[in-house]
Amino acid sequence: GAVVSQHPSRVICKSGTSVKIECRSLDFQATTMFWYRQFPKQSLMLMATSNEGSKATYEQGVEKDKFLINHASLTLSTLTVTSAHPEDSSFYICSARIGGAFGLRNQPQHFGDGTRLSIL
Amino acid sequence: AQKITQTQPGMFVQEKEAVTLDCTYDTSDPSYGLFWYKQPSSGEMIFLIYQGSYDQQNATEGRYSLNFQKARKSANLVISASQLGDSAMYFCAMRGQYNYNQGGKLIFGQGTELSVKP
Repeated sequence: GAVVSQHPSRVICKSGTSVKIECRSLDFQATTMFWYRQFPKQSLMLMATSNEGSKATYEQGVEKDKFLINHASLTLSTLTVTSAHPEDSSFYICSARIGGAFGLRNQPQHFGDGTRLSIL
Repeated sequence: AQKITQTQPGMFVQEKEAVTLDCTYDTSDPSYGLFWYKQPSSGEMIFLIYQGSYDQQNATEGRYSLNFQKARKSANLVISASQLGDSAMYFCAMRGQYNYNQGGKLIFGQGTELSVKP
């Protein structure tokens, strides 16, 4: 069964709207979660590493003020796309790893089912 | 720097036949892990198989096996007895030793789109 839950699965909204996406770890505590963005037929691009109780670490080229990340609890991280525009339309997906950085080496990242964001 | 390369944008295979998806990597980390994920058109990422850099044997999971050649820095995925449901994007990913300081983040390849023909 799913170990990471992501909500909502699909969002369609008007330009200028802020959109919040939730990522929850089920049955385990995730001190670290990851947020990816994916365009059609392309690879996953890591946007940021979300750290519980501290600031997120953003990858180069990702606008911190545009993509706000909050990791307020050990089981929940949120990504807010602020003042979204059509170019922000994409597939956003989160992941977490049981045990975080100190889990077993063969422990994979578990992914949510993703959120398809469409900005009109 | 770490890098994962998948040189096959698309592959076709006949149902019930085996297919090999290529993956090469580059890292200076002494210890690392290699992962394969499947992404159907619905979007979810499904973990398939893992290979550790110090594992003596090639990993196998059901119809999936990993042809790990450390000297060549390749970690090809072999799918035996292909099924129609195997049609999807397949991603190779790596987690290096020093990524543990970053929560164990993964570096992904470009992906290969596999189509299984009936």
